[in-house]
Amino acid sequence: DIQMTQSPSSLSASVGDRVTITCRASQSVSTYLNWYQLKPGKAPKLLIYAASSLPSGVPSRFSGSGSGTDFTLTISSLQPEDFASYFCQQSYSTPYSFGQGTKLEIK
Amino acid sequence: QLQLQESGPGLVKPSKTLSLTCVVSGGSISDSNYYWDWIRQPPGKGLEWIASIYYSGHTYYNPSLKSRVTISVDTSTNQFSLKLTSVTAADTAIHYCARRSSGHYEAYDYWGPGTLVTVSS
Repeated sequence: DIQMTQSPSSLSASVGDRVTITCRASQSVSTYLNWYQLKPGKAPKLLIYAASSLPSGVPSRFSGSGSGTDFTLTISSLQPEDFASYFCQQSYSTPYSFGQGTKLEIK
Repeated sequence: QLQLQESGPGLVKPSKTLSLTCVVSGGSISDSNYYWDWIRQPPGKGLEWIASIYYSGHTYYNPSLKSRVTISVDTSTNQFSLKLTSVTAADTAIHYCARRSSGHYEAYDYWGPGTLVTVSS
């Protein structure tokens, strides 16, 4: 099974900050890597698919990069609605696996 | 706009069976471009994929749960379901249903809001 490791597990930042979250896979997943945003009581939201592609409707301040085993999610200028938890997920092979999450909090 | 909504008991006794249903609205569960999945998140922990089903009934299970899990689909009512037997406190989690694209790059593009299932006597 492929293990996904995210860092940091939590992060404090201010509105307007640029933040980067990293995700590492235990083996190459090529670019089969997705990022999701989770907020309590709400349906999770797909932010990035195929490592760097933005679904329609996702703000351009979100970007993803990487391939193989190392990936990053960057938020270029934090907005109040971005304070949430973020998870990476590999879709390279089953069982599909997720990172343990990064909780982004207001400083 | 596609919507998914989980439903089921919020409290299940240890050793019993957890049963959840996901109703899909605003789209067809018989769309051949998608799979339908269950994913869970124990309190304070990460997400765990449980199982997937295609409209045809083809199923895929997480090996770690396979012996206890059954996923099924009802195309006539546009819903799919999850059963997890012999539950313990470790099965306490928010359970999400989600749609997964079946193209070259698969991703969960629509999710339900999740339902918390607590296993306790």
